[in-house]
Amino acid sequence: DAKTTQPTSMDCAEGRAANLPCNHSTISGNEYVYWYRQIHSQGPQYIIHGLKNNETNEMASLIITEDRKSSTLILPHATLRDTAVYYCIVRVTGSARQLTFGSGTQLTVLP
Amino acid sequence: GAVVSQHPSWVICKSGTSVKIECRSLDFQATTMFWYRQFPKQSLMLMATSNEGSKATYEQGVEKDKFLINHASLTLSTLTVTSAHPEDSSFYICSAHNPLTSGGAGNEQFFGPGTRLTVL
Repeated sequence: DAKTTQPTSMDCAEGRAANLPCNHSTISGNEYVYWYRQIHSQGPQYIIHGLKNNETNEMASLIITEDRKSSTLILPHATLRDTAVYYCIVRVTGSARQLTFGSGTQLTVLP
Repeated sequence: GAVVSQHPSWVICKSGTSVKIECRSLDFQATTMFWYRQFPKQSLMLMATSNEGSKATYEQGVEKDKFLINHASLTLSTLTVTSAHPEDSSFYICSAHNPLTSGGAGNEQFFGPGTRLTVL
């Protein structure tokens, strides 16, 4: 799986958009970008994933650059409950392999 | 959506005792489950891969005789921490692979809520 780089921490004001960047410059053509988050003392929660097109679901939007070397997770209207560690993971799909977690980004949503 | 449960959610035990943690996929069959361990302020670290009907595959540095894994059915994997010691105190998290959502169509791995183990 390609290596990813994320900022250690970020703050965001409640109600504003939270934009979390991820660099994955060595991504392969068949690797997807996955985002999970972990609220304190809970198991990780899937947010969204994509290959090359931008994706949106009820939780977030995922913007992948054209060269696929970086991506941004967007939480459009952050709430206090979005405070968590956000993990960007790059991997192929279709195989029952583990997820490799980096250190992630601690997002703190401020009132 | 797919749900994975863990039991117990927390456990406190005395040093030297054994503790069993269960991981269940509630609405799908998981031929492969994973066990992770997470120490405070650290990321998740894979301990072992559990395959239904076969022996688990352990990561380097994880003692297979200390962390016994059994995956006897398509919906249940258990992790037993034998002769637990204070340094085994951690947050243990399982995940289950859903083969029906593979291939980029959706999320493939579903995590349990975790089990907080405290060894006194």
